[in-house]
Amino acid sequence: DGGITQSPKYLFRKEGQNVTLSCEQNLNHDAMYWYRQDPGQGLRLIYYSQIVNDFQKGDIAEGYSVSREKKESFPLTVTSAQKNPTAFYLCASSVSLGSSYNEQFFGPGTRLTVL
Amino acid sequence: AQKVTQAQTEISVVEKEDVTLDCVYETRDTTYYLFWYKQPPSGELVFLIRRNSFDEQNEISGRYSWNFQKSTSSFNFTITASQVVDSAVYFCALSETSGGSNYKLTFGKGTLLTVNP
Repeated sequence: DGGITQSPKYLFRKEGQNVTLSCEQNLNHDAMYWYRQDPGQGLRLIYYSQIVNDFQKGDIAEGYSVSREKKESFPLTVTSAQKNPTAFYLCASSVSLGSSYNEQFFGPGTRLTVL
Repeated sequence: AQKVTQAQTEISVVEKEDVTLDCVYETRDTTYYLFWYKQPPSGELVFLIRRNSFDEQNEISGRYSWNFQKSTSSFNFTITASQVVDSAVYFCALSETSGGSNYKLTFGKGTLLTVNP
């Protein structure tokens, strides 16, 4: 079954700790994305990647970092510099960059809570 | 700047009722794309439809239908004969094509639809 997996589903972090959220896809998609969702809000773009070893900041990249060493994987690190990290994080992918003509497919999300 | 407004924060209906979710967008592009996604309680967003700005034909897929009107910058979504399984948050999204921003989806804040038995 092709799809996007995110792990863990729930994650708890103490203040001051970095934490890494996993995102893997087996859809052979070139483009991958990370979004943040807060209660009652739409999704906001954190980072996106068009190809391996290349990624760009989205609208709210401060306090986050990513890597794209493999086509299938796009992990997101929430650093201690992120002031309000408690949120629902969604990973997505698309055939290529340019969601205007190919839809993004989403993973099941990771709910991060800072204690 | 692109913007998507979903004025209805929450809607509650009884099963078998028809329900329309509103979406109004703002863009300066002449070519753009509109999307609807469904987010069930499990959290994963499910793609429902993509429509480009040059295609104003209404679309029907089973109990779902979409009404795109450029004159009013609206892309409304109707569920006919709603079912409990339709309960979810529904997001409307916009993607522009100019200025190198065609990768970006701008989402509305979503409408929580509750269908009661």
